[in-house]
Amino acid sequence: AQSVTQPDIHITVSEGASLELRCNYSYGATPYLFWYVQSPGQGLQLLLKYFSGDTLVQGIKGFEAEFKRSQSSFNLRKPSVHWSDAAEYFCAVGAYQAGTALIFGKGTTLSVSS
Amino acid sequence: NAGVTQTPKFRILKIGQSMTLQCAQDMNHNYMYWYRQDPGMGLKLIYYSVGAGITDKGEVPNGYNVSRSTTEYFPLRLELAAPSQTSVYFCASSPLGGGNGYTFGSGTRLTVV
Repeated sequence: AQSVTQPDIHITVSEGASLELRCNYSYGATPYLFWYVQSPGQGLQLLLKYFSGDTLVQGIKGFEAEFKRSQSSFNLRKPSVHWSDAAEYFCAVGAYQAGTALIFGKGTTLSVSS
Repeated sequence: NAGVTQTPKFRILKIGQSMTLQCAQDMNHNYMYWYRQDPGMGLKLIYYSVGAGITDKGEVPNGYNVSRSTTEYFPLRLELAAPSQTSVYFCASSPLGGGNGYTFGSGTRLTVV
């Protein structure tokens, strides 16, 4: 079955500390991987995406993610968290075939403490 | 830069009422999607469309209907609202399908009482 697992429902990080959000996927085809961020009451904004090539991808707002095929993982990282990073983060997987839709994880809520 | 526009932003329905959630995109994207988001459950696909006149069911289609007469519009219809349909609904579009990523609307928060 195709699925995305985000093992951490809620994470609290001190401002200025580093962050890693975990994402594991199960997908039959070559995966295209995404991280989205959702601020309270808002829609989802694309942070970064991986299609192929370099397994370390850079995104907006200082985020990066590393694709590890052997571990079926696509973890999101940020070296130094800011209070404005508090939000919900979603990992998603898709394929390039026409008609396929993204499959989303259940999300990880990030709280930032001062 | 309108992107994907959803209306209304909020709505309260009574059980058994019907309504249409509107979604419009101005990017000439072929692919459009409706998801619902429930707390702790992520986003679940309701319906999607690969072009005008072509729609298909997603993971949770029961209680909903869609139509796609033009590239721009993809409305979602609730015929007999039930409390289980209380959710936040997101419309999204993509030029080439899921592998290309989505542009999301800002959502419609629906409460059925």
